[in-house]
Amino acid sequence: DAGVTQSPTHLIKTRGQQVTLRCSPKSGHDTVSWYQQALGQGPQFIFQYYEEEERQRGNFPDRFSGHQFPNYSSELNVNALLLGDSALYLCASSSYSNQPQHFGDGTRLSIL
Amino acid sequence: GQNIDQPTEMTATEGAIVQINCTYQTSGFNGLFWYQQHAGEAPTFLSYNVLDGLEEKGRFSSFLSRSKGYSYLLLKELQMKDSASYLCAVRDIGDYKLSFGAGTTVTVRA
Repeated sequence: DAGVTQSPTHLIKTRGQQVTLRCSPKSGHDTVSWYQQALGQGPQFIFQYYEEEERQRGNFPDRFSGHQFPNYSSELNVNALLLGDSALYLCASSSYSNQPQHFGDGTRLSIL
Repeated sequence: GQNIDQPTEMTATEGAIVQINCTYQTSGFNGLFWYQQHAGEAPTFLSYNVLDGLEEKGRFSSFLSRSKGYSYLLLKELQMKDSASYLCAVRDIGDYKLSFGAGTTVTVRA
């Protein structure tokens, strides 16, 4: 039973570029959330997707956008990258709103 | 959930017990979660409390007091592999997101 899988593992970009991160949820899960985790901090909520719609959004600018596909997988897109976007990006999936979210290993994004 | 506070670091000896406290403020509490995160790895779910009291899972236990906005995670019979960051997260009523504290780094020494 595969858990949450994310790709790529690591990514290096320069300021101003755009990036797309991908996530496949755990089998049986239909809800995907994205979090940003800076070094030494807890994860910060970016947004959640359910039934291919953005259901809730955190305090992130419009440069951060996402998508959920019919097979429940999801993408996170970040435009006009800034140095401050360097972080670990975590995807989490769940099946019901009160069930624990299960996290993938994340994508480490470095902006030069 | 907002204003989630937990200690930054704790150190304990192998075989000992460590208690990690978490305090929170919320407009409408709807559950508290504890996660373990080893360096460079995904957070893994440890426990969930929504009612007051103690939840025990093997060597790990979690306690909740909703009236005090307080929880703790108790790690017993510490092992070297328990060295990790422990994250406290809260969900509010009507919220789908988890709000995390900054995490407590636990170092287990021989």
